[in-house]
Amino acid sequence: QVQLVESGGGLVKPGGSLRLSCAASGFTLSDYYMSWIRQAPGKGLEWISYISTGSSYTNFADSVKGRFTISRDNAKNSLYLQVNSLRAEDTAVYYCARDRRKGIISAFDIWGQGTMVTVSS
Amino acid sequence: DIQMTQSPSTLSASVGDRVTITCRASQSISSWLAWYQQKPGKAPKLLIYDASSLESGVPSRFSGSGSGTDFTLTISSLQPDDFATYYCQQYDTYRTFGQGTKVEI
Repeated sequence: QVQLVESGGGLVKPGGSLRLSCAASGFTLSDYYMSWIRQAPGKGLEWISYISTGSSYTNFADSVKGRFTISRDNAKNSLYLQVNSLRAEDTAVYYCARDRRKGIISAFDIWGQGTMVTVSS
Repeated sequence: DIQMTQSPSTLSASVGDRVTITCRASQSISSWLAWYQQKPGKAPKLLIYDASSLESGVPSRFSGSGSGTDFTLTISSLQPDDFATYYCQQYDTYRTFGQGTKVEI
């Protein structure tokens, strides 16, 4: 069964850090571009980062640039998001998602269930 | 950055109605556009990719059209399961989502 499962969310104080993980199963992670998308409570979807198959290319939304880092371990079939210098406005459900075509950017066909990050003192 | 503008923000409709949601890109994105459906507390679900291609398993009452800057998602006959929020998303340059359209009764 093709699926993504996120973990690592939680309650963190402003300025704190977390490492979010996304475990892939049922497919070979190394074949696909992967992204992180977040959704603040009651708000819309915001794409925040993507990483290419071999980690050569990454990109970030301006809202998180310089604070978040994306990485992947294809041998472990896992994707990561290191989130630093957290702010209240980073409070959101964080989703990982797979591009539907192998090796190129495309629409997101597989999504995880999301992990909640709450930034509050 | 490419901006995506959806309209309307909210749409009131009845079962059996034909529903159309529009999405406009701030610059040409060719056909690199997807549509997603999201229900409360759930992850988004891909409906349409490459502007007009129906994702496997998605009912044929959903269709997409457009290219360049103007796109539409059409639900030919609204079903009870279709009441949800719909998002467009470009993947021509990085990724951007529209702000969403809530389809309510």
